[in-house]
Amino acid sequence: IQLTQSPSSLSASVGDRVTITCRASQGIRSYLAWYQQKPGKAPRLLIYAASTLQSGVPSRFSGSGSGTDFTLTVSSLQPEDFATYYCQQLDSYPFTFGQGTKLEIQ
Amino acid sequence: QVQLQESGPGLVKPSQTLSLTCTVSGGSISSFDYYWSWIRQPPGKGLEWIGYIYSRGSTYYNPSLEGRLTISLATSKNQFSLKLTSVTAADTAVYYCARAQFYSDANGSSNYFDYWGQGTLVTVSS
Repeated sequence: IQLTQSPSSLSASVGDRVTITCRASQGIRSYLAWYQQKPGKAPRLLIYAASTLQSGVPSRFSGSGSGTDFTLTVSSLQPEDFATYYCQQLDSYPFTFGQGTKLEIQ
Repeated sequence: QVQLQESGPGLVKPSQTLSLTCTVSGGSISSFDYYWSWIRQPPGKGLEWIGYIYSRGSTYYNPSLEGRLTISLATSKNQFSLKLTSVTAADTAVYYCARAQFYSDANGSSNYFDYWGQGTLVTVSS
């Protein structure tokens, strides 16, 4: 299953609301996760089951969608949110990731 | 707090075998509901799921690597391992180990990767 994220890169400012989209090549029910990765660090789980916020993740992060179309929204960007974001499908093997969306400071 | 730590050689020659170990602390790898996984990331590129092993020993591999790949448990040491044979430069990557939590819902069952190691760079070069 291929996952296509859009945009591939995004420039935004602190306080902005941003949305990243992930589209699956076939239906994956709600079995999608979102991760944040900073340079030189391991990915960090933000959202699983498309919309469930992982414990400890700020509530400004939210996820939605099912089937083939999913979104990750950050309601008000903070300086620590500038990173690369990946979606991952966990509906069927092999699990696959999107190509990533790099969120940069404008 | 669960922690994972990768260990192994940082340099492997082409055609040889890449071997890595992940040591888990703060929890038992024998616990139900967990799968123990490897993911890799070539320098400057995206993430690739390699495969995982259930706490009871069943394995699930990425078909792109099947035939070269073995993931195994060492429960007495609370570790799991990766062996990748016949490596080439294309296998150069940061290798992460991670815990996959199992869950079920009205539509079926799935996982999510909640704890990750810091990653270790493995370079394939002569």
